[in-house]
Amino acid sequence: NAGVTQTPKFQVLKTGQSMTLQCAQDMNHNSMYWYRQDPGMGLRLIYYSASEGTTDKGEVPNGYNVSRLNKREFSLRLESAAPSQTSVYFCASSPGGAPDTQYFGPGTRLTVL
Amino acid sequence: TQLLEQSPQFLSIQEGENLTVYCNSSSVFSSLQWYRQEPGEGPVLLVTVVTGGEVKKLKRLTFQFGDARKDSSLHITAAQPGDTGLYLCAGVGGGSYIPTFGRGTSLIVHP
Repeated sequence: NAGVTQTPKFQVLKTGQSMTLQCAQDMNHNSMYWYRQDPGMGLRLIYYSASEGTTDKGEVPNGYNVSRLNKREFSLRLESAAPSQTSVYFCASSPGGAPDTQYFGPGTRLTVL
Repeated sequence: TQLLEQSPQFLSIQEGENLTVYCNSSSVFSSLQWYRQEPGEGPVLLVTVVTGGEVKKLKRLTFQFGDARKDSSLHITAAQPGDTGLYLCAGVGGGSYIPTFGRGTSLIVHP
């Protein structure tokens, strides 16, 4: 049981390049999330998916797109990377219910030059 | 937007000392969670509190939810180097099931 996996673990991009961050969970969870974490800023929600086939914007969605490919996979795409998108990105999943519990992946450290 | 203020932002102490971390808001939450994040890893849930005034203990960690469900505290007794990490509080409320995270308290415990 791997939980939540993310690839890649590290990535360096040049301004304007595009890339997709991959996330997969094997816990049969309905909801999945993408967060970014910057020093002193805590976790900020980028996008989330309450169930397969649905996606919604979070607090900081500008410059990102997502795809909920199936129940297991939720990808985050940067179409034209900017230095302001340098951050650590975390994917999480949760089973639902109240109170809910989020399970996080190990993160992707992205640097945009 | 529901805001959660955590204090202190940084804490550096010696092994064996006690400490308290605070999580405050002007909003009411239906539940509040504490996560711990170690360097290079994702946050891991420590506890969820749902009832005003609730106290939960996890070994040397004591969590309390305020009576009005607007604040919470985490108290660590006799801190150990293994307690080092970033402690995040997260509140759920306002009709949303998605938690709002505080900015975190970075704790370093020196041997």
